Parts: sequence; C-alpha cells; structure tokens
Amino acid sequence: GAGVSQSPSNKVTEKGKDVELRCDPISGHTALYWYRQSLGQGLEFLIYFQGNSAPDKSGLPSDRFSAERTGGSVSTLTIQRTQQEDSAVYLCASSLAGGNQPQHFGDGTRLSIL
Amino acid sequence: QQQVKQSPQSLIVQKGGISIINCAYENTAFDYFPWYQQFPGKGPALLIAIRPDVSEKKEGRFTISFNKSAKQFSLHIMDSQPGDSATYFCAARVRGGYQKVTFGTGTKLQVIP
Repeated sequence: GAGVSQSPSNKVTEKGKDVELRCDPISGHTALYWYRQSLGQGLEFLIYFQGNSAPDKSGLPSDRFSAERTGGSVSTLTIQRTQQEDSAVYLCASSLAGGNQPQHFGDGTRLSIL
Repeated sequence: QQQVKQSPQSLIVQKGGISIINCAYENTAFDYFPWYQQFPGKGPALLIAIRPDVSEKKEGRFTISFNKSAKQFSLHIMDSQPGDSATYFCAARVRGGYQKVTFGTGTKLQVIP
C-alpha cells in the first residue's frame, strides 16, 4: 500500500514568509509525528498526534511553529515568519498505536529559507 | 535525560568488512532501541530493534548488541556491501510511553568496493 506522503518535496521561500507543509499518513495509522532534520544532525522531535488525544507539542522550538491534524488523518505543519535557521528537512512519520509499532517515515520536505 | 550519544559520525569500510556503530544512553527508563537506515533524499526506515532483556539480536547481516549495565548498544553490519552505504541512526524510547523516540545524531557509512 501507499506509504507516508509529504508535500511539497522541496520548498524555497523568503525570510519572513509563512509556509505550510503537508503530511498524508498511512491509512489506519492513528499516531503521527513531525521531526526536523538539520544538515548532518539527527532527528529533532517536534510534535506528536495520537487519535483524539491532545497533541504533544513539547518539541516545537517556538510559537512560530504550529501543527494540526484534521479528521485524524492529514496533518499540516505551519511555520510563521520563517527564519534562516528554519532551513531543514521536515519529516513526518506515522504508526499504529500501542506496543512497539514501527514508525514509517515519509521522504520529507526540504525547506530552504533565503 | 533524553540524550542518545552516537559514534562515529562517519565511517568508511571496505566491502566485505564489518561496520560497527556505537550508541550510549543515560536514561534507564528507555526500554526499546531501534536502528534506522536512511538513504539520501529518503526518510529513515526501521532496520532492526532490540529490547533491554535481550543481549543480542540478529537479522541477516545486521546484529544489535546490547549491554544493559554499561547502557550501551551497537549495530554490527557483517560482510558490508556498497548498498549498505547510508546514514544510520540509533534511537531509544521511554518505557510505558507512546512511541516518541529520541534519536542519535547519525553515522554516515560508506562502503567502498
């Protein structure tokens, strides 16, 4: 079946603009994660959604970052007033709930802030 | 503490050799340790995982060794192949939590013919 789909695959924008990144998880996966991967770095956790529970936003680096998940499926990560340090690859992952269910990652959105 | 320390940052191995990547952690609440493989332009993919009640897990050419007392675990790639060239991330998850994992900083492996 289809994997996790992210769009756009690449985004170039000017400093100060807002951007929206989209994630379509695997059908039936109730858990959804956003991570940020900077060049040569590991994956930095941003936010987690699980079903109808309140999301874990503990990894969001500033109030310029927000995310929502509509209808328990598609998620959008929004970055307002982008800064150059926001340049990174933003990865989305989804999984089934419970146990040691593996996270399935999309190929990410490469965001470049000019 | 949620940090997972990974080394080396990069590794060059000849084809047929053994690639070894090491990770260490401090948080004794971690109870699940997956390894991810990432090719350029792609998202990470789960490679192999281990729980702390097991000292070793092997899947094909990939083996995880786990030392609970030392709070260390490692990935061994036997008979390394050029197709294994990728970035490898170790990770850890807190017991009883949901599936939020803490990732190491990654090891870029290059296997040369």
